Amino acid sequence: QAQLVQSGAEVKKPGASVKVSCKASGYSFPHYFLHWIRQTPGRGLEYLGCFRPETGFINYAQRFQGSVTMTWDTSINTAYLELTRLTSDDTAMYYCARDRDGGFSFDPWGQGTLVSVSS
Amino acid sequence: QPALTQPASVSGSLGQSISVSCTGTNSDIGNYNYVSWYQQHPGKAPKPIIYDVNRRPSGVSDRFSGSKSANTASLTISGLRAEDEADYYCMSYRDGNTYVFGTGTKVSVL
Repeated sequence: QAQLVQSGAEVKKPGASVKVSCKASGYSFPHYFLHWIRQTPGRGLEYLGCFRPETGFINYAQRFQGSVTMTWDTSINTAYLELTRLTSDDTAMYYCARDRDGGFSFDPWGQGTLVSVSS
Repeated sequence: QPALTQPASVSGSLGQSISVSCTGTNSDIGNYNYVSWYQQHPGKAPKPIIYDVNRRPSGVSDRFSGSKSANTASLTISGLRAEDEADYYCMSYRDGNTYVFGTGTKVSVL
């Protein structure tokens, strides 16, 4: 069955960059939208955006446009989320999630990657 | 991008039924039948339990049900069990090809 496995936790200093990966298996990676979501105790779940490898379509949530970059490598069925100029506000659990068959909800989810930003 | 509004907490006794509300706007819940619900236990990723307002993924208990009226969606858990104690989040598709989550509700089983 479809599965998403994310990279391990990261600790970064303010101003640094980080790249989180999400490896897909059990389904045709190019044909589904993949979404990125982050979660913090203070702001809850926030939608970052999505992409679809088959068409090259990328859509960033307005609030995160310019601060996150989504890329992918179809040869290894892996998606990436890069965050630059990190601040403490970027400390969060980051999840990737696939569109369910039929769209408009997310299933499955990756296990999450904790990014901590601290001086 | 204001989040969908959920009560911070809801509690119920074993075997009871409870409902969790999720209030949005005409740009999201009121305009689309694309409301989904997710259950999250501590330290775990969200798990989908309802999609398209009232449909359950394979393997999800029929004790979970969803509904929608105007700009408000609801999740009902019947026959409350200890393992239902978790955080619950709603999500809706929103105008502009984006998604918005609810503020989250902590369900406690007394």
